[in-house]
Amino acid sequence: SAVISQKPSRDICQRGTSLTIQCQVDSQVTMMFWYRQQPGQSLTLIATANQGSEATYESGFVIDKFPISRPNLTFSTLTVSNLSPEDSSIYLCSVERAPTSGQFFGPGTRLTVL
Amino acid sequence: AQKVTQAQTEISVVEKEDVTLDCVYETRDTTYYLFWYKQPPSGELVFLIRRNSFDEQNEISGRYSWNFQKSTSSFNFTITASQVVDSAVYFCALTDNNAGNMLTFGGGTRLMVKP
Repeated sequence: SAVISQKPSRDICQRGTSLTIQCQVDSQVTMMFWYRQQPGQSLTLIATANQGSEATYESGFVIDKFPISRPNLTFSTLTVSNLSPEDSSIYLCSVERAPTSGQFFGPGTRLTVL
Repeated sequence: AQKVTQAQTEISVVEKEDVTLDCVYETRDTTYYLFWYKQPPSGELVFLIRRNSFDEQNEISGRYSWNFQKSTSSFNFTITASQVVDSAVYFCALTDNNAGNMLTFGGGTRLMVKP
């Protein structure tokens, strides 16, 4: 397992602004991921955060809307840009120490857009 | 393509009852991995179990048990003598060697355990 923290834990933002979410892991991990969970829904993978290169985005998610940074093996940020009420969700980061070994999730960031 | 179906969207039981959460999956790969996660009201996702496709042994951990049946593509989760603290949303998930580490989640089952 891993100890994962996210900041902020929750935020309320105005339409048109941006929010940057931080994910910190207590030890180096190769794989980090960002998920979105819309109200009452399951989790959807946004992207894989790659250290030293551009993130790999899933279908329906683009870099302009969800820029991701991964400066080292313990830290990543996800920015949700040009916010609209439809972006109101829980955003979670996860890590995996080895492929298919199982992902461990951070506590999530609950975003409300007014 | 991968798919995970949790047909039960919501289950309500009374404390001390046993409850089984169903999970049916689809994958074309012969090597795949199944997971269960718990999401309590606080929102964090808690890892419960990982099972690979070559290990069909059922697993028991305290009040939790898992029944993996490849013949029916199911990986069901049973809580024995449920407690109020078991109230949460439970997600079943799947990945395989061709998924690029992508986890496919089921829609989740909301379990409510009443005192």
